Amino acid sequence: QVQLVESGGGVVQPGRSLRLSCAASGFTFSSHGMHWVRQAPGKGLEWVAVIWYDGSYKYYADSVKGRFTISRDNSKNTLHLQMNSLRAEDTAVYYCAREGNLPPRLDYWGQGTLVTVSS
Amino acid sequence: QSALTQPASVSGSPGQSITISCAGASSDLGSYSYVSWYQQHPGKAPKLMIYESNRPSGVSHRFSGTKSGNAASLTISGLQPEDEAHYYCTSYTGSRLLIGGGTKLTVL
Repeated sequence: QVQLVESGGGVVQPGRSLRLSCAASGFTFSSHGMHWVRQAPGKGLEWVAVIWYDGSYKYYADSVKGRFTISRDNSKNTLHLQMNSLRAEDTAVYYCAREGNLPPRLDYWGQGTLVTVSS
Repeated sequence: QSALTQPASVSGSPGQSITISCAGASSDLGSYSYVSWYQQHPGKAPKLMIYESNRPSGVSHRFSGTKSGNAASLTISGLQPEDEAHYYCTSYTGSRLLIGGGTKLTVL
């Protein structure tokens, strides 16, 4: 069965960096686009970034562009999110999600990992 | 500020039907984009309920979705207590995923 397991969350000071990972299993990872979506405490969902199945294209929300980098290692079935210059407003639960093939949709989600940016 | 507008809350009694609206613009919902709906219970990850007008395997037939012009809607018929949750609409163009502000469904 499809499984997505995030890791790497924690407490970090403003301005510092953190790298999240998402381990995928139960499907052909290299055939699917992957997304990061976050949710601040008590707030709604916010899309963060997407990477195409082969890593050839990457797109970001304006709120993280230039600070966050999405990447993937298809040989290790792993998705990453490198987060630099973190701000208090980046505090959220970060979910990775698989993009199902046409029509595209986020058909499987991980359980999320909490990132807290605080001094 | 979400580019997709949803009502903050809706409510209904068990057995009733409710509809949640999702309003966008010609540049997103009104253009070449894919609409999906997600259900989220407190402390849980979102769950895909509808994509375009399709239901994933395992999702109750009580859930249905439509899209017309710059708007989409999710209808839940025969409301059940377990339907109480937040619901989010999304519009995806391949390079950008817009997410609505979410609607809290209360089953009275």
